[in-house]
Amino acid sequence: NAGVMQNPRHLVRRRGQEARLRCSPMKGHSHVYWYRQLPEEGLKFMVYLQKENIIDESGMPKERFSAEFPKEGPSILRIQQVVRGDSAAYFCASSDLDSNQPQHFGDGTRLSIL
Amino acid sequence: GQQLNQSPQSMFIQEGEDVSMNCTSSSIFNTWLWYKQEPGEGPVLLIALYKAGELTSNGRLTAQFGITRKDSFLNISASIPSDVGIYFCAGQRGGDDKIIFGKGTRLHILP
Repeated sequence: NAGVMQNPRHLVRRRGQEARLRCSPMKGHSHVYWYRQLPEEGLKFMVYLQKENIIDESGMPKERFSAEFPKEGPSILRIQQVVRGDSAAYFCASSDLDSNQPQHFGDGTRLSIL
Repeated sequence: GQQLNQSPQSMFIQEGEDVSMNCTSSSIFNTWLWYKQEPGEGPVLLIALYKAGELTSNGRLTAQFGITRKDSFLNISASIPSDVGIYFCAGQRGGDDKIIFGKGTRLHILP
């Protein structure tokens, strides 16, 4: 998974706090995808972003969740007022459509809500 | 929404055995992908398939894109201990589309 960098790798929050997850795509990639994985499950799509634009947020909960991919800097997945059910592994993937390559994944952020 | 049915859910095999797992979908995909995930890591792409009927190999791994575009299988020949992990099938409709994942096949190799 070299190339897609996610931090932190582990994040612990108390109910009601905010969680910020960061993703730096592979060099040269301008498309970022966020997925969520619950234990014993596959990854579920949340949101697809290009630089400064949200392209598809059909998998993102309507409340408390937001994502951005600014012109400079990493993509951020933000979860406000976290609840126990937000505990999961959150993965970021990036791609470069110009080369028609599949998405490459980071090693994820494991979010635990106390 | 689109769903992928992956089977088996888990497999317990002896080292050296061949492994076969498959995935079916209720709708068509234009790209089929097979990923492997190990504990604490993200999915790593094993094989990507882009054409119906395509058969592609990557070392001891072979995968096929079903002719109906609604299924795919992955075979692993002569399994070794480092094959242990979770194997996910995944589909995409288009090159920039979200990936739809199956629930995974957990491969265990008995000592």
